Amino acid sequence: QQPVQSPQAVILREGEDAVINCSSSKALYSVHWYRQKHGEAPVFLMILLKGGEQKGHEKISASFNEKKQQSSLYLTASQLSYSGTYFCGTYTNDYKLSFGAGTTVTVRA
Amino acid sequence: KAGVTQTPRYLIKTRGQQVTLSCSPISGHRSVSWYQQTPGQGLQFLFEYFSETQRNKGNFPGRFSGRQFSNSRSEMNVSTLELGDSALYLCASSLELAGITDTQYFGPGTRLTVL
Repeated sequence: QQPVQSPQAVILREGEDAVINCSSSKALYSVHWYRQKHGEAPVFLMILLKGGEQKGHEKISASFNEKKQQSSLYLTASQLSYSGTYFCGTYTNDYKLSFGAGTTVTVRA
Repeated sequence: KAGVTQTPRYLIKTRGQQVTLSCSPISGHRSVSWYQQTPGQGLQFLFEYFSETQRNKGNFPGRFSGRQFSNSRSEMNVSTLELGDSALYLCASSLELAGITDTQYFGPGTRLTVL
């Protein structure tokens, strides 16, 4: 079962913040976040493990709420380079990584 | 270290034909997963191979098949192509079975167009 991402798209000005949510109907063992720029391969950002561990990458951080079976990705003080489509991948008890439909982020100068 | 490579990068086929896509994982990686990416659908899991064995499979028809060789390279085959098979096919490799803590590294993909 694919996780559900929201919003589908967001437009930001440089320096603004955004939050992308990822929800699962199944209990999560881990959440993986990737960013894909147009015409390129998805690039790994971070993994969050069961236990509420929060990780960070530059000014991009994420949280994992095990009880709510969801993760949120925080884009802080966005830069032009943050533009792209963000995917969350969830690892559950079916032993495969399932990805959401993606959230397209556009950062404008 | 070289990244994941996929060949060919672009393919144009007609309905009813079959196609084979190739993926070379990062050196030392033993697991290869395949995904289909279409606009609005995100990444749909096709299957995962580890040590030449299919370990997991997504919800795709039997026309989609794959295999892995002893050097971890993998191929994906689609028979009797349909228009709806037009997509970007991505392969990803990981050290071990894609799992709770293992990171998958993606290749650039093969863009398949079915006419």
